[in-house]
Amino acid sequence: EPEVTQTPSHQVTQMGQEVILRCVPISNHLYFYWYRQILGQKVEFLVSFYNNEISEKSEIFDDQFSVERPDGSNFTLKIRSTKLEDSAMYFCASTTRGSGTEAFFGQGTRLTVV
Amino acid sequence: AQSVAQPEDQVNVAEGNPLTVKCTYSVSGNPYLFWYVQYPNRGLQFLLKYITGDNLVKGSYGFEAEFNKSQTSFHLKKPSALVSDSALYFCAVRPPGGATNKLIFGTGTLLAVQP
Repeated sequence: EPEVTQTPSHQVTQMGQEVILRCVPISNHLYFYWYRQILGQKVEFLVSFYNNEISEKSEIFDDQFSVERPDGSNFTLKIRSTKLEDSAMYFCASTTRGSGTEAFFGQGTRLTVV
Repeated sequence: AQSVAQPEDQVNVAEGNPLTVKCTYSVSGNPYLFWYVQYPNRGLQFLLKYITGDNLVKGSYGFEAEFNKSQTSFHLKKPSALVSDSALYFCAVRPPGGATNKLIFGTGTLLAVQP
């Protein structure tokens, strides 16, 4: 069964450092997403990406965040200067075109900012 | 504002008993509704969805959910709980007419099934 894969599974970084979280969505999917889950809280939408550009972003997704699809398979989330409050589980997801289709999520990357 | 509510932080049920995990939503129009399950240190796994049609939808692992438009609810149910069903369950809604297929999640309900 196809799946979304994320690397690394856990990243520890110092405050102020840049991090890049990586995702390989399902190959025939067209929409790509990043969500985050702060420990003990709900899953929150960050950004969606379609046709090589951001299609929607939340208020959380400020100038410190960026996304990129550098090649035909990878989808990355970059945090330019991490803050303590960026510590969370970050999930990548992908869907096909149809709005009724379910999103497939990766296993997540646990980011710890110290 | 668009939102999803899961009023119970935790649901406790004995193995073999029926279970219900509640979800209500506040979204204009006719949203698409989803349930996801999260096991410890794992990602979100899709369980089932309601798009249109029959209000009772069946999904993975014997779970089902009933869509009630008048009550704006989408409660998750299972006739006979298993210990292995113990996990965190998230209800999610996809608002209609959006530019993308983003999901709005509830806060999650921890299901604990006792043997």
